[in-house]
Amino acid sequence: DVKVTQSSRYLVKRTGEKVFLECVQDMDHENMFWYRQDPGLGLRLIYFSYDVKMKEKGDIPEGYSVSREKKERFSLILESASTNQTSMYLCATQPGAYSNQPQHFGDGTRLSIL
Amino acid sequence: RKEVEQDPGPFNVPEGATVAFNCTYSNSASQSFFWYRQDCRKEPKLLMSVYSSGNEDGRFTAQLNRASQYISLLIRDSKLSDSATYLCVVNSPARSYIPTFGRGTSLIVHP
Repeated sequence: DVKVTQSSRYLVKRTGEKVFLECVQDMDHENMFWYRQDPGLGLRLIYFSYDVKMKEKGDIPEGYSVSREKKERFSLILESASTNQTSMYLCATQPGAYSNQPQHFGDGTRLSIL
Repeated sequence: RKEVEQDPGPFNVPEGATVAFNCTYSNSASQSFFWYRQDCRKEPKLLMSVYSSGNEDGRFTAQLNRASQYISLLIRDSKLSDSATYLCVVNSPARSYIPTFGRGTSLIVHP
């Protein structure tokens, strides 16, 4: 079974802080994704990566950056957290670049920015 | 038109009922299709892939209609534990196979 581990289930930070969300997978999948999910808006793609050191903007990258220094780890960074970034953040992996395979999700991180 | 559209519901059905959801997609070149289940405050989990010829997994049946560009999910003999949000996902070469999610259909099964 694919294991996708997110560093925290719940996180509370203050406005202006730099926030790091970590995601680690154990299945050697090439693709990794960061989403946020808000009520009524569904899943929205923030950034994704096809390979180490590669990153692509998703639909809502503003206010975020990412890092993929190792294949198994994909980090999401909130450069200066704001209250409108309070959300559920989900990491997902997918085997193979340009893949028709389904994604596998981590447990999610519920982030509150005060 | 949104790339992937679902009726948000909620669909409110009694135990034992049969319920069906549809999901329409806009890109005719879409190649792979999936149904995910998401429980409240949890992550989405893959329920089943959708194959061209249709496929069944226990009480769940998924079908693809390429001509009308929709996929469907049929749940027979609904259980209380089927209560969840069901997300439709479509992969298309037009979006470099980045999965596109519908916003989900809420199902509530009551006693």
